Amino acid sequence: ETGVTQSPTHLIKTRGQQVTLRCSSQSGHNTVSWYQQALGQGPQFIFQYYREEENGRGNFPPRFSGLQFPNYSSELNVNALELDDSALYLCASSPLGGSKETQYFGPGTRLLVL
Amino acid sequence: QQQVKQSPQSLIVQKGGISIINCAYENTAFDYFPWYQQFPGKGPALLIAIRPDVSEKKEGRFTISFNKSAKQFSLHIMDSQPGDSATYFCAASKYSGTYKYIFGTGTRLKVLA
Repeated sequence: ETGVTQSPTHLIKTRGQQVTLRCSSQSGHNTVSWYQQALGQGPQFIFQYYREEENGRGNFPPRFSGLQFPNYSSELNVNALELDDSALYLCASSPLGGSKETQYFGPGTRLLVL
Repeated sequence: QQQVKQSPQSLIVQKGGISIINCAYENTAFDYFPWYQQFPGKGPALLIAIRPDVSEKKEGRFTISFNKSAKQFSLHIMDSQPGDSATYFCAASKYSGTYKYIFGTGTRLKVLA
């Protein structure tokens, strides 16, 4: 059983560009959540996907959007990048049924916006 | 009301000592409280979690103490080891169609050999 994987591990973009980050959920997990972790801070909830639909959103603008695919993998898209978007982006998956409150995190994608 | 306040910001403990990290919350609707451990360059890893109907939960060297009336919970790491040196985050969540975690600001623990 593999854990949550994310790609790429690191990314450098310039202000105004668009970026897509990818996440493969843990086997048997059907819910994916995305978090933004600024340096020295705790992760902040961006949104969650369940059955390919957005199922809850944090305090992030619409330029943060996502997708979930039939195999439960997910993408986070950020348009019109700003300097403050520089952060570690974490994906977390939750199991089908059972302990769905428990979230298992991937290693993250480090995004630097110049 | 959605905040989770975590203290201390940093902690230095001698090998074999007890590390204690505290968190406080306001929203009494929170019903799930996990603790995560994060090493530099890695994602958070679940350590232990508790629900408010239990006052204490122990898994190996890690114990959560939960005080529902005070709206506080804490992580105790017994017999702390240098390998425990990491950043620890508490979190709280409530079910509202989804479990959205509210994280504390983190505690950087250093265990001296």
